Amino acid sequence: NAGVTQTPKFQVLKTGQSMTLQCAQDMNHNSMYWYRQDPGMGLRLIYYSASEGTTDKGEVPNGYNVSRLNKREFSLRLESAAPSQTSVYFCASTLPGSTEAFFGQGTRLTVV
Amino acid sequence: AQSVTQPDIHITVSEGASLELRCNYSYGATPYLFWYVQSPGQGLQLLLKYFSGDTLVQGIKGFEAEFKRSQSSFNLRKPSVHWSDAAEYFCAVQAGNQFYFGTGTSLTVIP
Repeated sequence: NAGVTQTPKFQVLKTGQSMTLQCAQDMNHNSMYWYRQDPGMGLRLIYYSASEGTTDKGEVPNGYNVSRLNKREFSLRLESAAPSQTSVYFCASTLPGSTEAFFGQGTRLTVV
Repeated sequence: AQSVTQPDIHITVSEGASLELRCNYSYGATPYLFWYVQSPGQGLQLLLKYFSGDTLVQGIKGFEAEFKRSQSSFNLRKPSVHWSDAAEYFCAVQAGNQFYFGTGTSLTVIP
């Protein structure tokens, strides 16, 4: 049981390049989330998906797109990376209702 | 609007000393509250959670937290800190489908 798996773990991009961060969970969770973590700012929600086929914007969605490919997978795409998107990105998932969120190990992204 | 405040950015304690990390929340309804710990280079691990009932909740690794509705607080405590507790700690509140995190408190443990 792997939990929440994120790939890649590290990535360096040049400004303007695109990339997709992958997230998969094997816990049959309905809801999935993408956060970014920046020093002194905690975790900020980029997008979330309450269930398969639905996605909603969070606090900081600009510059990102998401796809809920199926119940297991929730990807985050940067179409044209900017240095301001240098951050650590975390994917998380939960069951319906009020319960804890399970987190992946994070993707450390640097945009130069 | 929902929000979580962790007033202490960084705390240093001696090994064996007691610890209290502060968390204040803003939420209109009964909150669902969490404390997570993040070791360097790792994801977040749940320490404990409060949904309802007993306001003193026990978690893993010897941590506990007390929910005080009158103070809108959910402070994390540990009676005796170990060097392995050095990490970043996040308080969070769940509102509907979303989680709102504080900015974190970094804990340093000195021998």
